[in-house]
Amino acid sequence: NAGVMQNPRHLVRRRGQEARLRCSPMKGHSHVYWYRQLPEEGLKFMVYLQKENIIDESGMPKERFSAEFPKEGPSILRIQQVVRGDSAAYFCASSSGTSDHEQFFGPGTRLTVL
Amino acid sequence: AQTVTQSQPEMSVQEAETVTLSCTYDTSESNYYLFWYKQPPSRQMILVIRQEAYKQQNATENRFSVNFQKAAKSFSLKISDSQLGDTAMYFCAFMSAHNTDKLIFGTGTRLQVFP
Repeated sequence: NAGVMQNPRHLVRRRGQEARLRCSPMKGHSHVYWYRQLPEEGLKFMVYLQKENIIDESGMPKERFSAEFPKEGPSILRIQQVVRGDSAAYFCASSSGTSDHEQFFGPGTRLTVL
Repeated sequence: AQTVTQSQPEMSVQEAETVTLSCTYDTSESNYYLFWYKQPPSRQMILVIRQEAYKQQNATENRFSVNFQKAAKSFSLKISDSQLGDTAMYFCAFMSAHNTDKLIFGTGTRLQVFP
């Protein structure tokens, strides 16, 4: 039973380019969460999605960032026109939505903006 | 807004000894969940232990146990018989029972276990 999958594991982009991060939740999970971890900091919530719906995007920057979780396929976090400050580790987590509220994390994508 | 504070940036312990990591949080809610996550050098986030605020009994998972003091809003993690594989960053996290959308993390404690 595969866990949460994220790809790529490492992504290098130049300033102004677009970054696309993918997350496949655990089998049977329909809730996806994205977190960002800046160097030497804890994880910060960005967005919570269920299939085809954004439920809570209160932690997402208003510009350049977007997320989707289509009916088919992985969840995508997109960062347009990346800047150096976007360099971070981006973690995806999934849950089944049951009462234990446990979120299972993927291995993260480390984004480096040159 | 809820906040989580981990006041120990770094801790060290000798193998087989016991270490306690501190965590305090701030909330006006009475029902919530608390978690400790481990992040080894691989950066994978691994759930260590969880506690429901409505349960008075402290959670225990093998060598890991918590001291949950609800009135003091304190949630410390005790690691007994420390092993080299326990070397990692440890994050305390809070989740409101009214808003289970998100985990709110502390800044972490870097634990080094020495042989």
